[in-house]
Amino acid sequence: SQTIHQWPATLVQPVGSPLSLECTVEGTSNPNLYWYRQAAGRGLQLLFYSVGIGQISSEVPQNLSASRPQDRQFILSSKKLLLSDSGFYLCAWSPGNSPLHFGNGTRLTVT
Amino acid sequence: DQQVKQNSPSLSVQEGRISILNCDYTNSMFDYFLWYKKYPAEGPTFLISISSIKDKNEDGRFTVFLNKSAKHLSLHIVPSQPGDSAVYFCAASTTGTASKLTFGTGTRLQVTL
Repeated sequence: SQTIHQWPATLVQPVGSPLSLECTVEGTSNPNLYWYRQAAGRGLQLLFYSVGIGQISSEVPQNLSASRPQDRQFILSSKKLLLSDSGFYLCAWSPGNSPLHFGNGTRLTVT
Repeated sequence: DQQVKQNSPSLSVQEGRISILNCDYTNSMFDYFLWYKKYPAEGPTFLISISSIKDKNEDGRFTVFLNKSAKHLSLHIVPSQPGDSAVYFCAASTTGTASKLTFGTGTRLQVTL
């Protein structure tokens, strides 16, 4: 069966520090991969999605970037965190256009 | 701009009764709609979906209704059970599929004994 791993579960980082969140999927190949964020009082916002290695689409301009170095690995990064980057970050995968399967998320607090 | 809106942040329902969760959208290009359920410390899980060519889809205790003219959809849970207590997210897509979803802010459902 397919599983998705996302870590860490919680993270507290100072403003200006770098960020790296990692997500891996097991039990499938060539999944579509997604990064979502939920800021306080907002819905889940699509940040990035990828349909293959090295293929990243950004949905909103922001202080973040994403990379897909391997088929089942998706990384969310920032060189310098802002206070507004605080939120709940969710990685998700889907086999083609089927409903998304989410990881358990990372609660990021930028102080 | 919040294109998918869930105006009720919370809802409390007695066990055995019907739970009705509502969702409104503003983008007329949305053609596929989903509901996700989220328990604490877990990611959202897919619950039920509906295409814009339908006005109702049923799966066991869960039924989703779509009113395109009103840009409104609702999730009915009958009968409600304590295990249904969770946050429910409405989501929509313009691709006709479940990819690239726009989510609402969620409604916290509490099913009481």
